[in-house]
Amino acid sequence: DAKTTQPTSMDCAEGRAANLPCNHSTISGNEYVYWYRQIHSQGPQYIIHGLKNNETNEMASLIITEDRKSSTLILPHATLRDTAVYYCIVSTGTASKLTFGTGTRLQVTL
Amino acid sequence: KAGVTQTPRYLIKTRGQQVTLSCSPISGHRSVSWYQQTPGQGLQFLFEYFSETQRNKGNFPGRFSGRQFSNSRSEMNVSTLELGDSALYLCASRRGGLTGPYEQYFGPGTRLTVT
Repeated sequence: DAKTTQPTSMDCAEGRAANLPCNHSTISGNEYVYWYRQIHSQGPQYIIHGLKNNETNEMASLIITEDRKSSTLILPHATLRDTAVYYCIVSTGTASKLTFGTGTRLQVTL
Repeated sequence: KAGVTQTPRYLIKTRGQQVTLSCSPISGHRSVSWYQQTPGQGLQFLFEYFSETQRNKGNFPGRFSGRQFSNSRSEMNVSTLELGDSALYLCASRRGGLTGPYEQYFGPGTRLTVT
């Protein structure tokens, strides 16, 4: 699996958009970008995934650069409940093993 | 639809003992994976079971084993417990198969403390 690089921590004011970057310069053509988050002491929660097109669901948007070497997860209106560690993971579509890095600790504040 | 359930949620064991953790996947999901989370090593993949067969395995000693039943429920066993086995053990399920992509859904975890 390709390695990902994320900032260690980020802050965001409640109600503002949270933009979480991820670098994955060694991504292969058949690898997807997945985002999960983990709220303290809970199991990770799936957020979104994409291959090369931008994706949006009820939780977030995923913007993948044209060369696929980086991506950005966007939480459009962050709330205090979005405070969590966010993991960017690159993996093939059928792979069962997710390689979690250290993620980005997002702190949403009033 | 019910989520992934894990039992027990908390467990305290003594060094040298063995432990069995249980995971019930989301209905219809045939793949179950197990992960260990510790403050020092983060989230690490243990193994995956699909249709009662281990399909993938992480870099853990043989003391860690698992199995899957015909109803897709899974158990993992750790024998001869060591202090370093204290961790949050997470189970995740997904639809599995040869096509994808598939997102994984995690349970709340079992917090194991070895004393």
